[in-house]
Amino acid sequence: DTAVSQTPKYLVTQMGNDKSIKCEQNLGHDTMYWYKQDSKKFLKIMFSYNNKELIINETVPNRFSPKSPDKAHLNLHINSLELGDSAVYFCASRGGFGGVREQYFGPGTRLTVT
Amino acid sequence: GEDVEQSLFLSVREGDSSVINCTYTDSSSTYLYWYKQEPGAGLQLLTYIFSNMDMKQDQRLTVLLNKKDKHLSLRIADTQTGDSAIYFCAEGDTGRRALTFGSGTRLQVQP
Repeated sequence: DTAVSQTPKYLVTQMGNDKSIKCEQNLGHDTMYWYKQDSKKFLKIMFSYNNKELIINETVPNRFSPKSPDKAHLNLHINSLELGDSAVYFCASRGGFGGVREQYFGPGTRLTVT
Repeated sequence: GEDVEQSLFLSVREGDSSVINCTYTDSSSTYLYWYKQEPGAGLQLLTYIFSNMDMKQDQRLTVLLNKKDKHLSLRIADTQTGDSAIYFCAEGDTGRRALTFGSGTRLQVQP
């Protein structure tokens, strides 16, 4: 009955590899996000999808490619991983339009690039 | 662009009140939020305030908003060791834009 789930929780990989992180929400929300939290705990938006359509694409290297196969899923694929990609990546979802529209966060995926 | 700032660290004794402050720049913010992040966990919404309110109380939590100064604060009464965490303020609107987060304030509660 988890609202927003992410897999894997931990990911350790070497520089140059390609990896994916998956996110699923069972809240029926129409908007999903990827945030990156660096070692100093700064949280920054990376991407947002609404009903499978990309609506926010911040200044992120094009090695990062989000994919939304349906509105309940938003995956993040990262090519040619670099040391600086090490961070915690959070998926979030948000429903409806108008009102407080709380964002629900997943537990995070801690990516370590060695 | 939007900018949200917080002090990085606060230490209090158990039973005291904690006050965590935040300033923001975007005057179009509709809602202001406080999230809590415990070690190794995701973010959990604690409370929020609509931009046309100046105070909201929710059990031990009191949120004060000074819209003129764009200043938001979170007061935790009778702080407990379980309140030790990082607290993020965030601002957003009623549309689809993502939240803009502050840098987080690490609250340490001494027994």
